[in-house]
Amino acid sequence: DAGITQSPRHKVTETGTPVTLRCHQTENHRYMYWYRQDPGHGLRLIHYSYGVKDTDKGEVSDGYSVSRSKTEDFLLTLESATSSQTSVYFCAISEPGRSYGYTFGSGTRLTVV
Amino acid sequence: DQQVKQNSPSLSVQEGRISILNCDYTNSMFDYFLWYKKYPAEGPTFLISISSIKDKNEDGRFTVFLNKSAKHLSLHIVPSQPGDSAVYFCAAAYSATNKLIFGTGTLLAVQP
Repeated sequence: DAGITQSPRHKVTETGTPVTLRCHQTENHRYMYWYRQDPGHGLRLIHYSYGVKDTDKGEVSDGYSVSRSKTEDFLLTLESATSSQTSVYFCAISEPGRSYGYTFGSGTRLTVV
Repeated sequence: DQQVKQNSPSLSVQEGRISILNCDYTNSMFDYFLWYKKYPAEGPTFLISISSIKDKNEDGRFTVFLNKSAKHLSLHIVPSQPGDSAVYFCAAAYSATNKLIFGTGTLLAVQP
């Protein structure tokens, strides 16, 4: 969807290094989310944001932090990457009252070696 | 604890036949349910949804059925087409939050 972009699309990093993934939206949606997709686990919520500087933890937040200083950008940071964080990361946006219809980005494939 | 479960990791169907994908949930507070479709190397896209006050919602070839007493929903695709081959995720939410809880996904393969 052109209204939401994730960068980078692919990244290989070494264990112990910090990594930041970016989600950028042009839809002016209030809510933003970070999910990870893993085989056998489906999509699991990492962190989410209800507005600028308003963030909260999801079900698998350990080892991750987020920041949202502008409506359009939601950053996900792995402070010290581990092999268990090898995954595909998806950002999503939504607007209150829109029947929970999230719009997802195309994903970032992260490999931690 | 998996609140939304899709017990069939994969399903293979012949073109033109019906595809039935199933989903079970454990949290009775959920009041909205959705299905998403995902192609490789793309993000999930919204397919169809249903509110807990209904037991059926139809959109073209896609119909979602909700059985609240059994905490079960299903997605029917009739007739199935090769382009329907994808991973299907069911998801659930409740009004107090704006967070979706996803199932583990079912890979549908529609054979020509």
